[in-house]
Amino acid sequence: ETGVTQSPTHLIKTRGQQVTLRCSSQSGHNTVSWYQQALGQGPQFIFQHYTEDENRRGNWPPRFSGLQFPNYSSELNVNALELDDSALYLCASSPWRVSSYNEQFFGPGTRLTVL
Amino acid sequence: DAKTTQPNSMESNEEEPVHLPCNHSTISGTDYIHWYRQLPSQGPEYVIHGLTSNVNNRMASLAIAEDRKSSTLILHRATLRDAAVYYCIRFNYGQNFVFGPGTRLSVLP
Repeated sequence: ETGVTQSPTHLIKTRGQQVTLRCSSQSGHNTVSWYQQALGQGPQFIFQHYTEDENRRGNWPPRFSGLQFPNYSSELNVNALELDDSALYLCASSPWRVSSYNEQFFGPGTRLTVL
Repeated sequence: DAKTTQPNSMESNEEEPVHLPCNHSTISGTDYIHWYRQLPSQGPEYVIHGLTSNVNNRMASLAIAEDRKSSTLILHRATLRDAAVYYCIRFNYGQNFVFGPGTRLSVLP
C-alpha cells in the first residue's frame, strides 16, 4: 500500500507569486485535509475535501484554495504569496470523512519559502 | 485554540517508560482524545485514540482519567526512534483537527 506523497519537497517563491502544491492520497481515501505548519508550531488546519468538494475550512483567506480529483490526487493553491506563507504544508488523507474514529495519514510535506 | 495543554518538553532515558500528560479540562462528553507524533523531518503519524476507557495498541497505551479532564500517553519502553513531538488533540466529528504546540520528547541513550 503506497503512503501519502507530496510534491515538490521544497519550493522557493517570491512575494506576490502563486504556487500549487500537490498531494497523492492513499488508494481508497476519499478525504484530504491540508495543514500549514510554521516553524516550531503544530500543524494548522486549512481545509478539507471530501469526494472532490470542500466541506470544511479553517479561518484562512480565499487566496488559499484547493482541488481534489477522482484519481486520489489533490492540490493546494496559494495566490498572492506573502512572506508569512513560508511554512511546511502537509496533506493528510483518510478513508472517509474524518470522524471521531478515523486516523489521518500524513504526507512528508512541502517546505515553501517565500522571499 | 488547541483546547488541550501539554508540557513543552520532556526527557526520558532509553528503555524506560515515558508518561506524556495532557490536560483537556473542558472536554465534552463525545470528544475523543487523539495522539499523534511527528518525527523529525516527517509528517505527523497517528499513535492512538480513545473516548473513556484505557486503550492499548502496538505503539502505546492511553490512560484516560475517570473525569476525562486529563489523559496520559504511555510509551512502555522508550527507544531513540521515539524522540518526536507528541500532540494531544481533542476531537469530535464535525470539528476541525486542532493541533497545539505539543510536547517535544527527547530520549537519552
